[in-house]
Amino acid sequence: NAGVMQNPRHLVRRRGQEARLRCSPMKGHSHVYWYRQLPEEGLKFMVYLQKENIIDESGMPKERFSAEFPKEGPSILRIQQVVRGDSAAYFCASSRDSTNTGELFFGEGSRLTVL
Amino acid sequence: AQSVSQHNHHVILSEAASLELGCNYSYGGTVNLFWYVQYPGQHLQLLLKYFSGDPLVKGIKGFEAEFIKSKFSFNLRKPSVQWSDTAEYFCAVNTGNYQLIWGAGTKLIIKP
Repeated sequence: NAGVMQNPRHLVRRRGQEARLRCSPMKGHSHVYWYRQLPEEGLKFMVYLQKENIIDESGMPKERFSAEFPKEGPSILRIQQVVRGDSAAYFCASSRDSTNTGELFFGEGSRLTVL
Repeated sequence: AQSVSQHNHHVILSEAASLELGCNYSYGGTVNLFWYVQYPGQHLQLLLKYFSGDPLVKGIKGFEAEFIKSKFSFNLRKPSVQWSDTAEYFCAVNTGNYQLIWGAGTKLIIKP
């Protein structure tokens, strides 16, 4: 499970700046999921992507947040004009197939702090 | 709305003590149940899972969990903890699609 790579591990931004979080899935995995963990809360689903497609973005805030998973390169979670409430840990997970078994492989997370 | 509750946010135990972490979910249908663990500085990893069959599930590192359908519970247990079990433990539920519903996590600290 060394395969899911997230960077940066820690990111500090001032209010109004943009944050970009990257996730490279495990080799052979074409399904990527982003989760957000606010302090003292469980992980909350944000978005599910396959290569070049957003499958489900029902957990994404309607504004300022976007995600992509291009044909080449990592998946990107982009937060524009960050606010203090965006401070959280953002976890990426990947799977080989679209699965309901929950066997996701996680990265170590990216911790965003908004000053 | 479906939800998962973990009763304790922080647990402190001494080595060799027995562990039980509570997890309850709210959903009346068929569920798949999971415990994930995150050791300090590491990624989340699957500890054990239940899909069907024997409700007592054995996982890695001596952990087990019991699914009690009537109580909507899936508590995690270990008879004798070690210092290396210090970690955060998450219960998660899947109700039939790819989304996992997570508890808030329990931070477990084992005193040497």
